[in-house]
Amino acid sequence: GENVEQHPSTLSVQEGDSAVIKCTYSDSASNYFPWYKQELGKGPQLIIDIRSNVGEKKDQRIAVTLNKTAKHFSLHITETQPEDSAVYFCAAYLPGGNQFYFGTGTSLTVIP
Amino acid sequence: DTAVSQTPKYLVTQMGNDKSIKCEQNLGHDTMYWYKQDSKKFLKIMFSYNNKELIINETVPNRFSPKSPDKAHLNLHINSLELGDSAVYFCASSFSGANVLTFGAGSRLTVL
Repeated sequence: GENVEQHPSTLSVQEGDSAVIKCTYSDSASNYFPWYKQELGKGPQLIIDIRSNVGEKKDQRIAVTLNKTAKHFSLHITETQPEDSAVYFCAAYLPGGNQFYFGTGTSLTVIP
Repeated sequence: DTAVSQTPKYLVTQMGNDKSIKCEQNLGHDTMYWYKQDSKKFLKIMFSYNNKELIINETVPNRFSPKSPDKAHLNLHINSLELGDSAVYFCASSFSGANVLTFGAGSRLTVL
């Protein structure tokens, strides 16, 4: 199966600073890498995703990079705002396993 | 217009009881999942159904029995509840393959 590791487990940044969360995966056959944001008391919501044929993707203040050779991908949030405070999960989809493998989550706190 | 809806949102019950959580999606997806999120926020897959057929059954006690009457519904029945079953249970759905996974808002189960 697949093994997804996520770091750091907690992250505090000042409002306006950037935040970076990193994930590694073990199976080179994984081909789809979504990122989810989970606010308190809610279900995880997709914020950005990237497929294995792309190296980088941006959506306003959020970007994701993928290094297939090193088997790692990262979430970058620029100009952080207090409403970015949440738990963030990375995931990898492994076609052979027909399922998503999730990282262990990063609790991001943006300090006003 | 909720895409993935689960009921109930909260469930408090005594050890040994049997309870059910229902899930419905109106996205036309063909694959539905149950995830368990423990107190450390880890998201662990329990079951996956594709077009009403069970395709993933992780190492879950057989006290947990999923049922999919049609591809828009996936219910979870739990027999003889134990303290360790206390968690938030998330239903999710997607089109099969490497596609966006949409989560419900979660059902918080507390076993006393």
